[in-house]
Amino acid sequence: KAGVTQTPRYLIKTRGQQVTLSCSPISGHRSVSWYQQTPGQGLQFLFEYFSETQRNKGNFPGRFSGRQFSNSRSEMNVSTLELGDSALYLCASSQIKTGGQNSPLHFGNGTRLTVT
Amino acid sequence: QKEVEQDPGPLSVPEGAIVSLNCTYSNSAFQYFMWYRQYSRKGPELLMYTYSSGNKEDGRFTAQVDKSSKYISLFIRDSQPSDSATYLCAMRSGYNKLIFGAGTRLAVHP
Repeated sequence: KAGVTQTPRYLIKTRGQQVTLSCSPISGHRSVSWYQQTPGQGLQFLFEYFSETQRNKGNFPGRFSGRQFSNSRSEMNVSTLELGDSALYLCASSQIKTGGQNSPLHFGNGTRLTVT
Repeated sequence: QKEVEQDPGPLSVPEGAIVSLNCTYSNSAFQYFMWYRQYSRKGPELLMYTYSSGNKEDGRFTAQVDKSSKYISLFIRDSQPSDSATYLCAMRSGYNKLIFGAGTRLAVHP
């Protein structure tokens, strides 16, 4: 079974631009979450989508947004990029089991975003 | 105070040693506990997934959860150089929102 796939692997953008990152979850996984990883703050939760609906959101400004498509694939967008947005952006997927039982999150290898 | 505290290390051990990694947390509502391993330039890889208190073993890895002390541990037996990585503890808070520790860098030298 293929793992979580994130594209592109690397991105270089300049301040003020916007960027879109893509994530394909593991087949059969319907929940997709996004995380930001930086040396200073570690791994921080951005948001989670299930059935094309955002179910949970972290403490990030509105410049960070996302969406999920009917095939469970997800994109996140960052507008008006700032230098501090330079980070590794990680996508994770999980199954949603019957009865609401939780299953673990499986991560992709991330998109390394550099803002200059 | 952070919700999850984890010593960032680095931790350096000889090959074959038993490694003990630990996290403490403050939110007694956490029920699902995970350990991830992250190699350089890779995403976190799930090692252990446990629910509530107790022990769980998988090969050379043992995860322990003590909810009364708000303390979780990961033990690695017969450590190998290939175990050199950053180990992250994580706890589930709401819909697939994980709260991560800072990560402990482990180096296993031959």
